[in-house]
Amino acid sequence: KNQVEQSPQSLIILEGKNCTLQCNYTVSPFSNLRWYKQDTGRGPVSLTIMTFSENTKSNGRYTATLDADTKQSSLHITASQLSDSASYICVVNPLLSGGYNKLIFGAGTRLAVHP
Amino acid sequence: GAGVSQSPRYKVAKRGQDVALRCDPISGHVSLFWYQQALGQGPEFLTYFQNEAQLDKSGLPSDRFFAERPEGSVSTLKIQRTQQEDSAVYLCASSLALGGLAKNIQYFGAGTRLSVL
Repeated sequence: KNQVEQSPQSLIILEGKNCTLQCNYTVSPFSNLRWYKQDTGRGPVSLTIMTFSENTKSNGRYTATLDADTKQSSLHITASQLSDSASYICVVNPLLSGGYNKLIFGAGTRLAVHP
Repeated sequence: GAGVSQSPRYKVAKRGQDVALRCDPISGHVSLFWYQQALGQGPEFLTYFQNEAQLDKSGLPSDRFFAERPEGSVSTLKIQRTQQEDSAVYLCASSLALGGLAKNIQYFGAGTRLSVL
């Protein structure tokens, strides 16, 4: 069973519209939760990082929320642009005694923004 | 360079061939990670280096997979006797500090797309 599940699997929206992507995780305990953007043929790029004590983090038009009680996170994109077309991946960093960041990735939501 | 560099970008191998994938991390980055990303899936952890020490190789799928980072900078992922199920994108990431810091960001390369025929 995936420890990080994302929905929807894919999404099409019109340019200028808002959208919200969902992430449910079972990883526990965890150190932090991250959202990454991955353009086709590129490596993932970090958008936001939230520790378990934070419940919201913004990066320009991207706003991530975290509810550690329900183990849910969301990524809200405001006023979408064509360049937002990409996969958005929810990533959980478990709290490990080894101390390094052994990230657990969701399968991603593939977003297509159409003009 | 300014970012993590991986080569080659694309590799086609016949089943049974050995391949070597290279990763040049950001200069000065202590931590280096290898991931495997199947089509339509998120990356999955393969192995972790702290400088030249391979501290975790629990994600390597089989003993055909081998990684090294002999001088604590460039790393090579080697796959022996490739199989069709090895076809995937192999991503390398590096981070500046040692692990355990909440805001320790991993910077990814563009990956090597391996196709085994």
